[in-house]
Amino acid sequence: NAGVTQTPKFQVLKTGQSMTLQCAQDMNHEYMSWYRQDPGMGLRLIHYSVGAGITDQGEVPNGYNVSRSTTEDFPLRLLSAAPSQTSVYFCASRSPSGNTIYFGEGSWLTVV
Amino acid sequence: GENVEQHPSTLSVQEGDSAVIKCTYSDSASNYFPWYKQELGKRPQLIIDIRSNVGEKKDQRIAVTLNKTAKHFSLHITETQPEDSAVYFCAASIRGGADGLTFGKGTHLIIQP
Repeated sequence: NAGVTQTPKFQVLKTGQSMTLQCAQDMNHEYMSWYRQDPGMGLRLIHYSVGAGITDQGEVPNGYNVSRSTTEDFPLRLLSAAPSQTSVYFCASRSPSGNTIYFGEGSWLTVV
Repeated sequence: GENVEQHPSTLSVQEGDSAVIKCTYSDSASNYFPWYKQELGKRPQLIIDIRSNVGEKKDQRIAVTLNKTAKHFSLHITETQPEDSAVYFCAASIRGGADGLTFGKGTHLIIQP
């Protein structure tokens, strides 16, 4: 049982490049979400999904796209990276009936 | 939307003393309040949580109190130890809601030997 798995763990991008952060969970959780964490800002919700085929925006969605084709996977796409997207990204999941949110190990992204 | 304020941003206490971190929230519909501990370079880990139908919850040296009227909740750590040094985050959400947690900005707890 791996829990929530994120890849890559570290990535350096040039401004304007695109990339996808991968997230997969093996707990059959319907709810998945992406947060970003910046120094002194806590964690902020980017996008979330309540199930396959359903996504919605969180607090800071601009510059990011998501899709949810399967229950297990919830990738986060940066179409044209900007230095302001330098951050640590956490994917998370939970079941609708539970409160506990399970976080992935994080992805450190630097945009230069 | 929900807004969570957390204080202090940094807290330094002597080993063995108690530490208290306070949070306020704005949305009266919020009814689930977890606390996370995050060590440097690691993911946030849930340490304790409380629901709005409970005023206090304890787990060994850790306790959380909730005042629904004041929209205020606090984390209490007694007999602090060096391994308690970390960043602590409070959060709030509507239990069962799908739109995730609203986090405070964090408290860096430093345990002085």
